Amino acid sequence: QKEVEQNSGPLSVPEGAIASLNCTYSDRVSQSFFWYRQYSGKSPELIMSIYSNGDKEDGRFTAQLNKASQYVSLLIRDSQPSDSATYLCAVILSGNTPLVFGKGTRLSVIA
Amino acid sequence: EPEVTQTPSHQVTQMGQEVILRCVPISNHLYFYWYRQILGQKVEFLVSFYNNEISEKSEIFDDQFSVERPDGSNFTLKIRSTKLEDSAMYFCASSDHIGGYTFGSGTRLTVV
Repeated sequence: QKEVEQNSGPLSVPEGAIASLNCTYSDRVSQSFFWYRQYSGKSPELIMSIYSNGDKEDGRFTAQLNKASQYVSLLIRDSQPSDSATYLCAVILSGNTPLVFGKGTRLSVIA
Repeated sequence: EPEVTQTPSHQVTQMGQEVILRCVPISNHLYFYWYRQILGQKVEFLVSFYNNEISEKSEIFDDQFSVERPDGSNFTLKIRSTKLEDSAMYFCASSDHIGGYTFGSGTRLTVV
């Protein structure tokens, strides 16, 4: 059974702080990793993808991947109240297999 | 920016009735998916579709479910005889298989 695990939160951070969201996955051969943001009642929105070990930065977001530890994280710098949402970690095992989601971490940014 | 369009946004149906949820994927995408999310739970894979056939399906996607791409643009999910536990948000997604999936805005299905 392919599992993607996330702490459900809520994670509360003050405005302007760095929010750190973590995810572990069970299948060592997983190849592609994604972070989605989901506002309440809305659909998942892709914010970051990462495919190789290390860091990938896009604006205020940094994704970090460590395949040896089967761990992927998302850092949000200068957190804003509008970042308050549930962040979903998602993994693709190999080319043709479907995206598998974790349960998500609810982030609350306090003004 | 290209988007995935889903209709209707909300569907209320009586238990035992058939429903069809509709999706228009992004035009140059070749891979199509249906996911569902029961309130408060995680986004779950139902089925993937490529080259006019199902490429993978989950345990949830039993004989009550079917998918179709009737005209080269629409992608539909049919639930033959709805049950109360089918109440959920249903998301259609498409991908070019290089990056992540693009999700539609979802259909909220309520079975009463």
